[in-house]
Amino acid sequence: QVQLVQSGAEVKKPGASVKVSCKASGYRFITYYMYWWRQAPGQGLEWMGVINPSGGSTTYAQKWKGRVTMTRDTSTSTVYMELSSLTSEDTAVYYCARGSDQDVWGQGTTVTVSS
Amino acid sequence: DIQMTQSPSSLSASVGDRISITCRASQGIRNDLAWFHQKPGEAPKRLIYGASTLESGVPSRFSGSGSGTDFTLTISSLQPEDSGIYYCLQRYTYPYTFGQGTNVEFK
Repeated sequence: QVQLVQSGAEVKKPGASVKVSCKASGYRFITYYMYWWRQAPGQGLEWMGVINPSGGSTTYAQKWKGRVTMTRDTSTSTVYMELSSLTSEDTAVYYCARGSDQDVWGQGTTVTVSS
Repeated sequence: DIQMTQSPSSLSASVGDRISITCRASQGIRNDLAWFHQKPGEAPKRLIYGASTLESGVPSRFSGSGSGTDFTLTISSLQPEDSGIYYCLQRYTYPYTFGQGTNVEFK
C-alpha cells in the first residue's frame, strides 16, 4: 500500500540545523510532488513548500525562504527537508504529504529545539 | 495568500447529532478544497476532496458541498470516533492554506 515513513524525533540546540526524511513506497515516486507542513504545539498546519521528485525543482513558502532546503534521492524514493538556524519557535511536528491532493501523509516527525 | 476562515472554532454535540462546519475562502478557489480530520498525536486524514468527493473508506455520514468561496462539511449522525479537529484546505494556489480548525467534542 501507499506509505510515507518519516525519520524519528530530533532534539536540536538553537542555531543548529535539522534534516527530516520522508521515504515513499507503494507507488511510482517521481509521479507525485511531495509537500512539507509544519504544526507547532497546539496550532494549525503551515505550508512550508514542495518538491518535484522528478527533476528536483522546489517552491518554498516565503516565510521559509533562505532557511529551508528540500531535496530528493530517487534511488531510495526519499525526500528530505532541512531547516537551518533553528530557534525555539521551530519546535513542531513536521509532516510530508503526497501530491497536490495531499492524499497520503507521513506519520510526522517531532523536532524539539532547546538549549 | 488565500485565507481560509472556518466556523465555528469549536462545537459540542451529542452522539447522533447532525453537525455542519463551514469554510470561507478569501477569494474564489473553484472546488479545490479538501476536508481533513486530525486526532491528537496523529497526522491529518483526508475525508473529502474536490469539495464533495468522499475519500475511499470514509463513512457515508460525511459529506461536503460548496464551490467558489463557501464550503460546508456535514456529519449526518455524529459518532464517538468523530471527535477531534477538522480542517479545510485550499489547494487552488500556492501557498496552500488550511483553515484554523474546528474542534469537535462530545457533551
